[in-house]
Amino acid sequence: AQSVTQPDIHITVSEGASLELRCNYSYGATPYLFWYVQSPGQGLQLLLKYFSGDTLVQGIKGFEAEFKRSQSSFNLRKPSVHWSDAAEYFCAVAKQGAQKLVFGQGTRLTINP
Amino acid sequence: GAGVSQSPSNKVTEKGKDVELRCDPISGHTALYWYRQRLGQGLEFLIYFQGNSAPDKSGLPSDRFSAERTGESVSTLTIQRTQQEDSAVYLCASSLSSIFGNTIYFGEGSWLTVV
Repeated sequence: AQSVTQPDIHITVSEGASLELRCNYSYGATPYLFWYVQSPGQGLQLLLKYFSGDTLVQGIKGFEAEFKRSQSSFNLRKPSVHWSDAAEYFCAVAKQGAQKLVFGQGTRLTINP
Repeated sequence: GAGVSQSPSNKVTEKGKDVELRCDPISGHTALYWYRQRLGQGLEFLIYFQGNSAPDKSGLPSDRFSAERTGESVSTLTIQRTQQEDSAVYLCASSLSSIFGNTIYFGEGSWLTVV
């Protein structure tokens, strides 16, 4: 069965610092990969997705993610975080041809002023 | 409306009662999903509807859970004889056709507390 691991439950960074959120998946073939953000009182919002092609994917709000097949990883990065980036971040995968997303447990991001 | 709408936003119910949660997808979206999010955990897939095709019910945790959707409109998730472990946020999402090539839009969820 597919699984998604987000090793960091909670991360704190200072405003303006760089950010990397880790995501590892377990699946035999290359799945489709997603990052979502959940802000307090708001629904989940798609940041970016990877289906194929260039392994460095650009998303909204200045986020990017890199797919590394050899490491089964899809880490999310941002060069300089803003206080408004404080939220819960979820990595998700979908088997090619399937319709359901399998989510990681999420990483809560806190921003220090 | 502009987004996925869910109701009620909050529901407190007594153990053993039945509850119904409603989802209004974005107009024109043929795909509709239900997910459950327990406190401090990721989302668990429950059920997926695509147009008039038979729904994928593989994520429903027990026969106390059921969902319906009429055509490409409103969906209702029903939980019978609620248990305390059913306490969670129930999230609905919709997309134009499927997740591939189309963005899935999530609602804000229905918070269910079983006491």
